[in-house]
Amino acid sequence: GENVEQHPSTLSVQEGDSAVIKCTYSDSASNYFPWYKQELGKRPQLIIDIRSNVGEKKDQRIAVTLNKTAKHFSLHITETQPEDSAVYFCAATISSNTGKLIFGQGTTLQVKP
Amino acid sequence: DVKVTQSSRYLVKRTGEKVFLECVQDMDHENMFWYRQDPGLGLRLIYFSYDVKMKEKGDIPEGYSVSREKKERFSLILESASTNQTSMYLCASSSPRYNEQFFGPGTRLTVL
Repeated sequence: GENVEQHPSTLSVQEGDSAVIKCTYSDSASNYFPWYKQELGKRPQLIIDIRSNVGEKKDQRIAVTLNKTAKHFSLHITETQPEDSAVYFCAATISSNTGKLIFGQGTTLQVKP
Repeated sequence: DVKVTQSSRYLVKRTGEKVFLECVQDMDHENMFWYRQDPGLGLRLIYFSYDVKMKEKGDIPEGYSVSREKKERFSLILESASTNQTSMYLCASSSPRYNEQFFGPGTRLTVL
């Protein structure tokens, strides 16, 4: 079946450094790739997304890149701050196009001050 | 602003009890979802509904059922709770046009 693999499971960086989280997906028909941030005790919230007709998207300190040929996409956070500490989930739509998402396993990012 | 609410933040139940978790959204979204969140396993889809009275099994439907009698409300039912159903349950909704899912605050269920 369809799946999304996410790496690493944990990531620790110093404040000001960059962080990169990578995901691979199996369904070549996937066309929407969101990233969610979940702070401790809170609900997941969308931070950035990308559609399959775009290779890169930026929003201030965060960016997402998509390589459709290799079926992988990545989240890049620059100049990390302690408030970036959270669990990050990637996801991809599945080919049935019902609005369902397949989520990665999550990455716990710790930014040390 | 999209609002998705869940009936309880914390719930403690006994093995064998029937458990109802309720989710309400106020954005007239067609799609509603129930997920289970466990450490290291991400968000796993239990059930999905794309319209009133319509439902579809997700990846882990065993031991669960759902009900969607009104567009804004989607209920998850544990017919006979078991200890392995202790988990965080998240509800979400979306419009089929945009795919972005909006999540509720979650219900942490403990089955003793």
